[in-house]
Amino acid sequence: DAKTTQPPSMDCAEGRAANLPCNHSTISGNEYVYWYRQIHSQGPQYIIHGLKNNETNEMASLIITEDRKSSTLILPHATLRDTAVYYCIVRIYNTDKLIFGTGTRLQVFP
Amino acid sequence: ETGVTQTPRHLVMGMTNKKSLKCEQHLGHNAMYWYKQSAKKPLELMFVYSLEERVENNSVPSRFSPECPNSSHLFLHLHTLQPEDSALYLCASSQDLGGPVYEQYFGPGTRLTVT
Repeated sequence: DAKTTQPPSMDCAEGRAANLPCNHSTISGNEYVYWYRQIHSQGPQYIIHGLKNNETNEMASLIITEDRKSSTLILPHATLRDTAVYYCIVRIYNTDKLIFGTGTRLQVFP
Repeated sequence: ETGVTQTPRHLVMGMTNKKSLKCEQHLGHNAMYWYKQSAKKPLELMFVYSLEERVENNSVPSRFSPECPNSSHLFLHLHTLQPEDSALYLCASSQDLGGPVYEQYFGPGTRLTVT
């Protein structure tokens, strides 16, 4: 399975955009990029996923580079409730294994 | 309410006890999962069930015994655990297996402490 690399922690001011990077340089053509987050003492929550194209939903945007070796999760207007650990996961199509890494701990401050 | 509930939320048990963790999903999903999250470690997939049939067992010790009586319920039976088994045990469900869009929905977890 392709591995991902994320910074261990980031800070973001409330109301500003939070840009969380992820490197997945060994990603294969049939592997999707998923993002989940885990707020303290809760189960992980799905955010978004993509293959090649940029994706946007009500929670976030996902920007995937053309070579697919890295991606960025964007929270356009971070709030205090977005403080969580964010996991970038590469998942092989047609498998059900989510291989979680250690993620990025995002701290949103007032 | 996430649609996936777990009971109990907290459990303290001795090494000689037998206990069970329960998970219930109210989403009409066909696949269910058990994960383990130890302190300072990533989530580890333990078991995967599809339509009540176990399809994945990630080298989990036999002191952990899963049971899936129907597609809405998943149990994890625990016996003769070790202190290093103390962790957050998370249940998840997804619509089905094998599709790229089948995101997993997680429950809040059971915080297990083995004394």
